[in-house]
Amino acid sequence: QVQLQQWGAGLLKPSETLSLTCAVKSGSFSGYYWSWIRQSPGKGLEWLGEINEYGSTNFNPSLRSRITLSVDTSKKQFSLNVSSVTAADTGVYFCARERRSGSSWYYFDYWGQGTLVTVSS
Amino acid sequence: DIQMTQSPISLSASVGGRVTISCRSSQNINTYLNWYQQHPGKAPRLLIYAASTLEDGVPSRFSGSGSGTDFTLTISGLQPEDFATYHCQQTDSAPWTFGQGTKVEVK
Repeated sequence: QVQLQQWGAGLLKPSETLSLTCAVKSGSFSGYYWSWIRQSPGKGLEWLGEINEYGSTNFNPSLRSRITLSVDTSKKQFSLNVSSVTAADTGVYFCARERRSGSSWYYFDYWGQGTLVTVSS
Repeated sequence: DIQMTQSPISLSASVGGRVTISCRSSQNINTYLNWYQQHPGKAPRLLIYAASTLEDGVPSRFSGSGSGTDFTLTISGLQPEDFATYHCQQTDSAPWTFGQGTKVEVK
């Protein structure tokens, strides 16, 4: 059974940098893309970006200028940084494994437990 | 970005009943459509991928259909654990986008 465990600071001030890390506690790290998804209060899910074992990334253009993704294959971990946060970045952040089948049949089959991040002065 | 629109936003149903949730995309996404279930305070759970393929371990009372721009999630024989919020998601074109969610409540 694949398990993702995530952690990071939950309370930030405006302009600070959000940093979260997700560890793959069991299962393979290779052969997948690893994503970050957030859920703002009262809103739907928003995909932020993804990274694979080689460091290849894709980002949501809405946050591209503020997001950094990194990977540490030796630890089976991947990380998210979002710079210059505002109250609009408040929400629950999830990490997830993206399984790929064929050209575009991609889906998030395992998720972390979620981290509530609050941005407030 | 491809916009995903779910309807209804919420619905009430009884245990044993049948529920149908609609998801419409702003452009043709073939069958690159997934469904997730989310309970309050929990991470989403993959139910269906490729519009109609049931994920391993998901009960057969869940089914998905559709292609192009119109998709449906059906729950036949609603169980107490099925009261949750359901999200559709497209992976035809990045950025991957989700619908706003449909909350299924107890009648």
